[in-house]
Amino acid sequence: DQQVKQNSPSLSVQEGRISILNCDYTNSMFDYFLWYKKYPAEGPTFLISISSIKDKNEDGRFTVFLNKSAKHLSLHIVPSQPGDSAVYFCAAFANAGGTSYGKLTFGQGTILTVHP
Amino acid sequence: GAGVSQSPRYKVAKRGQDVALRCDPISGHVSLFWYQQALGQGPEFLTYFQNEAQLDKSGLPSDRFFAERPEGSVSTLKIQRTQQEDSAVYLCASSAHTEAFFGQGTRLTVV
Repeated sequence: DQQVKQNSPSLSVQEGRISILNCDYTNSMFDYFLWYKKYPAEGPTFLISISSIKDKNEDGRFTVFLNKSAKHLSLHIVPSQPGDSAVYFCAAFANAGGTSYGKLTFGQGTILTVHP
Repeated sequence: GAGVSQSPRYKVAKRGQDVALRCDPISGHVSLFWYQQALGQGPEFLTYFQNEAQLDKSGLPSDRFFAERPEGSVSTLKIQRTQQEDSAVYLCASSAHTEAFFGQGTRLTVV
């Protein structure tokens, strides 16, 4: 049972435009969500996170939106740059008010390609 | 060190061979995780340490997999009698609280 799903295996975007990556989850216990970026032959790099007490978190060109009722989150990258081309993973865990240790459940990843 | 360091980066093992994968976490990080990433998939949880205590090993796929962190810093993931289905990238991550920081991974190929 895939508790975190990224239904788009790939996304292609023109430089300067917006990239929107989507993620759905089924486990209602999840209350902390993270996005990781991964280049080939490297480990995932933390990008941005959001707690379920918020519906939006912004960091520079990256914004994550959380819709708890729909169990859906999205990552917006504006403007997209060729260096953003990578695999993006959505991840979630049940933080339980800060008592959890952060065991992550990942989606399958979306390959983003930003064309110059 | 500045980040999580894993060694070796690449390992080719003959089926039936034992392997040991090493992880040096970020200094001071209490939590350490091991994940397994198959080709085209997201990382999947294997095991978790809080200091030297292994608090969760629910993701270890069989009793051929064993992990330790005897002094609460460096960790080793050992796979005995490797099989072809063990071929994957093994990722180590450490964290102080919510954001986990990953190493580059060890790509294990069993032939």
